Amino acid sequence: QITLKESGPTLVKPTQTLTLTCSFSGFSLGTGGVGVGWIRQPPGKAPEWLALIYWGDSKRYSPSLESRLTITKDTSNNQVVLTMTNMDPVDTATYYCAHFSSSFNWFDPWGQGILVTVSS
Amino acid sequence: DIQMTQSPSSLSASIGDRVTITCRASQSISIYLNWFQQKPGKAPKLLIYAASTLQSGVPSRFSGSGSGTDFTLTITSLQPEDFATYYCQLSYSSPWTFGQGTKVEIK
Repeated sequence: QITLKESGPTLVKPTQTLTLTCSFSGFSLGTGGVGVGWIRQPPGKAPEWLALIYWGDSKRYSPSLESRLTITKDTSNNQVVLTMTNMDPVDTATYYCAHFSSSFNWFDPWGQGILVTVSS
Repeated sequence: DIQMTQSPSSLSASIGDRVTITCRASQSISIYLNWFQQKPGKAPKLLIYAASTLQSGVPSRFSGSGSGTDFTLTITSLQPEDFATYYCQLSYSSPWTFGQGTKVEIK
C-alpha cells in the first residue's frame, strides 16, 4: 500500500522560503517509472501542479513558478523535499505530494495535504 | 502550454441521474487525460486514466471517453457519495495542467 504525508510549516511570512517534506512508503524512488510530484490548491480553486522528480533524478517544474522552486529526493530515506522561495500571500494553499506513474502519467495516490498560510 | 477547458463549472442533479462532464484540450493530446474526484477537505482521487481506463476500485458507473481534444466523464445513476468536485488533468506532457473543475450538487 502506497502512502504519502506532507510535513512543514503551516504559517510563513511574506518573502520567506517554504520547505516542505514528503515522506512516503510502499514504493521506492529507485524504481524505474516512478516519481513524486507536488501539487497545490488554493482555497476554493483547482489544483495546480508545481514540480515532479523522477526515479532517475530528472526534474520538471511549472513554467510559471520554475524560478522559485527546487525539488530534491532522498531515495534511501524515502523523502522528497520541495522548496519555494519568496513566498507571497497568493501562495496560500493546501500543498500535496503524490506518487507519479510514468506509464500514463498519473498522480495517485496523494498525501493528505498541508495547508500553508502566508501572512505577516 | 496546452490549456484545458472543463464544463460546466457546476451542475445540479438528482440521485439516479446520468451526469456528463466535458473537458477540451487546446491541442490534440491523444488519450492522455485523467479524471479526479475531490470531496471537501480531502485530496483528489484518481478515477480514470488514459481517457477511459477505470482506476482499480472505482465503481463501474463511472466511465470516460474521448481522444484528441474532446473528452467526457459520465456518471450513470448518480449516487449520494458522488456529490463532489471533478477535475480533468492533462497527462500528455508537463506542465500537468488541471481543468477548472465541475462541482456536482444535489438538486
